[in-house]
Amino acid sequence: GEDVEQSLFLSVREGDSSVINCTYTDSSSTYLYWYKQEPGAGLQLLTYIFSNMDMKQDQRLTVLLNKKDKHLSLRIADTQTGDSAIYFCAEPAQAGTALIFGKGTTLSVSS
Amino acid sequence: NAGVTQTPKFQVLKTGQSMTLQCAQDMNHEYMSWYRQDPGMGLRLIHYSVGAGITDQGEVPNGYNVSRSTTEDFPLRLLSAAPSQTSVYFCASSYSRLTNTGELFFGEGSRLTVL
Repeated sequence: GEDVEQSLFLSVREGDSSVINCTYTDSSSTYLYWYKQEPGAGLQLLTYIFSNMDMKQDQRLTVLLNKKDKHLSLRIADTQTGDSAIYFCAEPAQAGTALIFGKGTTLSVSS
Repeated sequence: NAGVTQTPKFQVLKTGQSMTLQCAQDMNHEYMSWYRQDPGMGLRLIHYSVGAGITDQGEVPNGYNVSRSTTEDFPLRLLSAAPSQTSVYFCASSYSRLTNTGELFFGEGSRLTVL
C-alpha cells in the first residue's frame, strides 16, 4: 500500500533556504502534493507536481522530484517567520479519492 | 462560498457516549473524506465517499460510521467513544480525483476529547 515518509522537524533562520524532504512508495502516483497547515487551521494546498516533471518552480517554492528514488523535496527560498507551519507531503490513495499524508514536517523559523 | 464547514469545533465526551461530527460542503464536490490528526502521526484516513450513497473504509475505520445521503453532507458518527478517539478530525472534499490535479479542500477541524 501507499506510504509517505518525511522528517519531523526543521529549524532555520529567517532569510535562509528551507528544504523539506519526502519519500513515497507508490510509483504509479500521477501527482504528488505539498500541503501547509498553520496553527489551529486545516490544511491548504501549497503546490503539486506532475509525475513526468523533475522540477516545478512557483515564486519562492521549488519542488524537485526524483522518480527513480521516489523522493520529493520542497525548497522554500528566503524563508520568513510567516512560513512557520507544518508541511505535509501527500500522494493519491484509494484510486485518487483521498490522499495519504506523511507525518508532517514542523518548520520553525527564527529571526 | 463557505467551503467545507465542520461542527462542532470542540467537543468533550465521556467514554461510551456517542456523537456525530457534521461536515457540509457547498462546492458540489463528489469526493469527501474524513481524517484524524494525532501528534506525530500525521493525518490518517478514516472513511471516504465518491458520491451520494457510496462510502468506503480508509486506514483507521474502526469505531466510526459514515453515511452520504446527499452530495453536500458527510457526517462522521462515533458509536461508543473511547479515549483513543481523542483527536482532531478533519473533513475534506474535492471536485475531481486527486490523480488528476484535484485539490483537497479542508474544513477547520473538530477537536474531540474523550474522558
